[in-house]
Amino acid sequence: ETGVTQSPTHLIKTRGQQVTLRCSSQSGHNTVSWYQQALGQGPQFIFQYYREEENGRGNFPPRFSGLQFPNYSSELNVNALELDDSALYLCASRSLGGLEQYFGPGTRLTVT
Amino acid sequence: SQQGEEDPQALSIQEGENATMNCSYKTSINNLQWYRQNSGRGLVHLILIRSNEREKHSGRLRVTLDTSKKSSSLLITASRAADTASYFCATGSRGGSNYKLTFGKGTLLTVNP
Repeated sequence: ETGVTQSPTHLIKTRGQQVTLRCSSQSGHNTVSWYQQALGQGPQFIFQYYREEENGRGNFPPRFSGLQFPNYSSELNVNALELDDSALYLCASRSLGGLEQYFGPGTRLTVT
Repeated sequence: SQQGEEDPQALSIQEGENATMNCSYKTSINNLQWYRQNSGRGLVHLILIRSNEREKHSGRLRVTLDTSKKSSSLLITASRAADTASYFCATGSRGGSNYKLTFGKGTLLTVNP
């Protein structure tokens, strides 16, 4: 088990709603990345935060946004939820310069 | 978009046998990593190989990297039922603060007792 925690574990939302997912990074890690994993697929990079700023983004629309806090914890916000947003959302942390990512257990989001 | 493609998509073996999974990728990389995922839970880092390395070992794991063919393989020796999981290769691009992993679709390994 890594030291990365995520909440909640599961979430059910209705299309058009907004959702906030939370992540606490491993101690000593100052960089947080978020990934979306659809069923049967590999994780896809959403974005990365370092020093409370987004410094890398994958092919996701602006309704996916995030925050990083001074304690390096992070939030992923998704507005105007669509059915295709149903997925496992994974948070990963690393130290600056580190290459391995340490993943949390994920949040399973279901949009109905 | 997916960078890597794992092969095979699914592999079923008996306990004690070796399991080999392959990964191909498309663009130049800084490093390649293998991760394991149990039943839709979080990913666990297994091993990392840098672009200037050809082979790396960790316990029962052996990874090879051929940058000229843009491919890698993961060998798990003497497999156990507990090795049953999905295995993903991920390529790392750049370094420092601007860095991301690009994952393949994974190989589902089933080790039968």
